[in-house]
Amino acid sequence: EAGVTQSPTHLIKTRGQQATLRCSPISGHTSVYWYQQALGLGLQFLLWYDEGEERNRGNFPPRFSGRQFPNYSSELNVNALELEDSALYLCASSFPGVSDTQYFGPGTRLTVL
Amino acid sequence: RKEVEQDPGPFNVPEGATVAFNCTYSNSASQSFFWYRQDCRKEPKLLMSVYSSGNEDGRFTAQLNRASQYISLLIRDSKLSDSATYLCVVSPYSSASKIIFGSGTRLSIRP
Repeated sequence: EAGVTQSPTHLIKTRGQQATLRCSPISGHTSVYWYQQALGLGLQFLLWYDEGEERNRGNFPPRFSGRQFPNYSSELNVNALELEDSALYLCASSFPGVSDTQYFGPGTRLTVL
Repeated sequence: RKEVEQDPGPFNVPEGATVAFNCTYSNSASQSFFWYRQDCRKEPKLLMSVYSSGNEDGRFTAQLNRASQYISLLIRDSKLSDSATYLCVVSPYSSASKIIFGSGTRLSIRP
C-alpha cells in the first residue's frame, strides 16, 4: 500500500513569490494535516482538512492557506514568501475520526532566498 | 509555558544502555498520547501509543502519569539504530482538532 506522498521534494523560491505544495494521503484516509518544521524546531501545526473542509488551523498568518480536493489530496499555498518560511513542510493523513494516529509523508523542503 | 515540553538533549549513551526521557504537557484535558520517532531529515513515524496502564513494545516502554502530567519513554538495551529524535505527541481531545508535537529529544547511541 502506498504511503503519503508529497511533491515537490524540494522547492526554491524568492521572497514575495508564492509556493504550492501538494500531498496525497494514504488510500482510505480522509483527513490531511499540514505541519511546518523549521530547522532545529519542532513540528508546528498549520492546517487540518477533512472531507474537503478546513477543520482547524494553527497560529499562522492568512498567507498560509490550502484546500482539499474531492479525492482527498491537498494543496498548501504560501503567498508572499518570507525568508523565515524556509522549512520542511510535512503532510500527514489519518483515517476518518481517528486523527490521533497520523502517517507522514516525506515532506517538501522549501527554501526561500 | 509550552503546551508540550521535552528536554531537547542530546542524550549520548553507549550501546546496550538503558535510557529514559520524559515529556510534560500542560493541558490536563489531554486524552491521547504518543511517541513518534524522527530520523535525521526524514518524516516522523509513530513509535507507540501511550496508554494509562503503560505499555511495552519489545525494548520500549511508555508510561503515562496523569497526576503529574507527563509521559515517559524507556529504551532498554539500546541499539545504534535507536539514534533518532523522539517526539512526544499530545492530543487534547479524543477526536483531535489539533495534535501538539513536542520539539523532540535527540538520542545518540555510540558504539
